[in-house]
Amino acid sequence: AQRVTQPEKLLSVFKGAPVELKCNYSYSGSPELFWYVQYSRQRLQLLLRHISRESIKGFTADLNKGETSFHLKKPFAQEEDSAMYYCALSGRGSSNTGKLIFGQGTTLQVKP
Amino acid sequence: EAGVAQSPRYKIIEKRQSVAFWCNPISGHATLYWYQQILGQGPKLLIQFQNNGVVDDSQLPKDRFSAERLKGVDSTLKIQPAKLEDSAVYLCASSLVILAEDTYEQYFGPGTRLTVT
Repeated sequence: AQRVTQPEKLLSVFKGAPVELKCNYSYSGSPELFWYVQYSRQRLQLLLRHISRESIKGFTADLNKGETSFHLKKPFAQEEDSAMYYCALSGRGSSNTGKLIFGQGTTLQVKP
Repeated sequence: EAGVAQSPRYKIIEKRQSVAFWCNPISGHATLYWYQQILGQGPKLLIQFQNNGVVDDSQLPKDRFSAERLKGVDSTLKIQPAKLEDSAVYLCASSLVILAEDTYEQYFGPGTRLTVT
């Protein structure tokens, strides 16, 4: 079955502390993994994808195929990072239709 | 560039009534998606169009939900009749194929929040 699991509904940290948002997936094939973010009163938007190997707003995520994980990390959290974060996957290659399968989301709360 | 537009932003109806949502994708985006997001859950794909053809509607409850994308641009999603469990945010997204990476980046609209009483 194709599934994305985000085990934490809420993650609360203090400003300057490291952050790790967990994401595990189940997929028969080679997936493309994404992190989407939704700030308060804004629309859902792409934060980063594993294929581009970028660091966006200080966040990074490494695809671990052995553990089927794609955890999102940031060494020093900022208050403006407070948002809802969704991990998502899609297929790759010729069978990819672009359909995204989302996890349930994790609310990140960064306290001053 | 203008983003994905959706209307209305909010709708309250009684069960067994009908409702329709409208989406205008980003200009030039051939692919359009409708997602349903129930409170506390991630978005779930209902239907996907490529131009005006359906690519995937496997999770669309076809006994009550319908969608169309005439002329391959705007799209409407309809629920008739609505049930209490249809209360959710309905998100529209569009994408332009990124050919080099074989990846589809999706751009989301603000959503329509439906409450069925």
